[in-house]
Amino acid sequence: NAGVTQTPKFQVLKTGQSMTLQCAQDMNHNSMYWYRQDPGMGLRLIYYSASEGTTDKGEVPNGYNVSRLNKREFSLRLESAAPSQTSVYFCASFSDYGYTFGSGTRLTVV
Amino acid sequence: AQRVTQPEKLLSVFKGAPVELKCNYSYSGSPELFWYVQYSRQRLQLLLRHISRESIKGFTADLNKGETSFHLKKPFAQEEDSAMYYCAPSADRGSTLGRLYFGRGTQLTVWP
Repeated sequence: NAGVTQTPKFQVLKTGQSMTLQCAQDMNHNSMYWYRQDPGMGLRLIYYSASEGTTDKGEVPNGYNVSRLNKREFSLRLESAAPSQTSVYFCASFSDYGYTFGSGTRLTVV
Repeated sequence: AQRVTQPEKLLSVFKGAPVELKCNYSYSGSPELFWYVQYSRQRLQLLLRHISRESIKGFTADLNKGETSFHLKKPFAQEEDSAMYYCAPSADRGSTLGRLYFGRGTQLTVWP
């Protein structure tokens, strides 16, 4: 089925560990995004990529890096995880019809 | 600064009652406005965008530029409408970008 696929769905990290969240879309969209969702805070934009080869910071980029590997894939990396990064992370792609979201990655940093 | 306010964190109504979820925004220019919905344990889905003027699942939303509001309304709420609702303006109207700035969300519960 067409859409946005995120892996993993769940992850527990120890403080200081690193990991990469993977995201892929098969809708040939140019723009891709990473959001984090926290209770009472809504969704906040971490990074986005307007097209292959470009990335830009969103509202809350500190502690994260991204990589737009190709048109399909947009990964989010935590180099040294902190408890404040405990959240649900959503990847999305955008077209004229609006956003398509992935199912989310629930990350806990202990 | 761009800002979105959803004043009600929680909203409860009984089945069949009208429901209104409030959204106020503070933006320069003319943003495009969206409502997204997240049902329990599901991904976010687009519910409405103001330029399409559609009615989805019985919901409508009117853009009031004077009040800078984009309230979501439904005349007769159903139990299956229970979900988290997010108002989300985009400052990238007309471009290929789609950066959304979400409100904090309103959790709607419809009681039987």
